[in-house]
Amino acid sequence: QLQLQESGPGLVKPSETLSLTCTVSGGSISTSRYYWGWIRQPPGKGLEWIGSIYSSGSTSGSTYYNPSLKSRVTISVDTSKNHFSLKLNSVTAADTAVYYCARRDPGMDVWGQGTTVTVSS
Amino acid sequence: EIVMTQSPATLSVSPGERATLSCRASQSVGSNLAWYHQKPGQAPRLLIYAASTRATGIPARFSGSGSGTEFTLTISSLQSEDFAVYYCQQYHNWPTETFGQGTKVEI
Repeated sequence: QLQLQESGPGLVKPSETLSLTCTVSGGSISTSRYYWGWIRQPPGKGLEWIGSIYSSGSTSGSTYYNPSLKSRVTISVDTSKNHFSLKLNSVTAADTAVYYCARRDPGMDVWGQGTTVTVSS
Repeated sequence: EIVMTQSPATLSVSPGERATLSCRASQSVGSNLAWYHQKPGQAPRLLIYAASTRATGIPARFSGSGSGTEFTLTISSLQSEDFAVYYCQQYHNWPTETFGQGTKVEI
C-alpha cells in the first residue's frame, strides 16, 4: 500500500528557507506515471496547491507551480531515495501552515499525514 | 486563474438526512473536478474525481454531478463519520490547480 510521509523542521525563522521532504513507500516514485504534489493549509483556513512534479521517464523532473508562489518555490525529486522535496524561500508568518504531500492521479488520491511548519523568530 | 466558489459555507443537517453541496467555477472546467472531505486533524481524503466517479473505497451514498461551471456533491444519508469540511478542486487548468474555500457539514 502506497504511503507518503512528510519530514522537516517544524520551526523556520522569517526570511529563511523552508525545506521539506516527502518519502514514498510501498511503490517506486520513478516507475509510476504520476505527478507528485505539495499542498498547504494555514491554521483554520482552506487548502492551497503549491506545486507538482513529474518523476517518470524522459520528462522526469518537470515542475509546475502556483503562480502566486512561483518566485519562491522549488520542487525536486530524488528517485534514488524515492522522495521529492519542497523548498520555499524568504518565508514570512503567512507561510505558517500544515504542509501535505500527495500523489496526483488526477485528483489527489494518496496523502501524507501532514507536517506543521511555523514561521517565527 | 480559475476561482472555485463553494456554497453554503456551513450546512447544518441531521444524521440520516440528505446533504447537497455546491461548487461553482469562474469559467468552464469541463468534468475536471474532484471532491474531498477533511476531518479535524486529518489529511483530506479524495471522494470523487472526474466530477462523478467515486474514488476507491468511497461508499455509494456519495455522488457527484455537474460539468462546466456548476457541480454538486450529494450525500444521500449522512452518517456520523460524514461530518467534516468538504472541498472541491479543479484540475482543468492543468498544470495549475485550485481548491474551493470549503463547506463545513455539521450537526
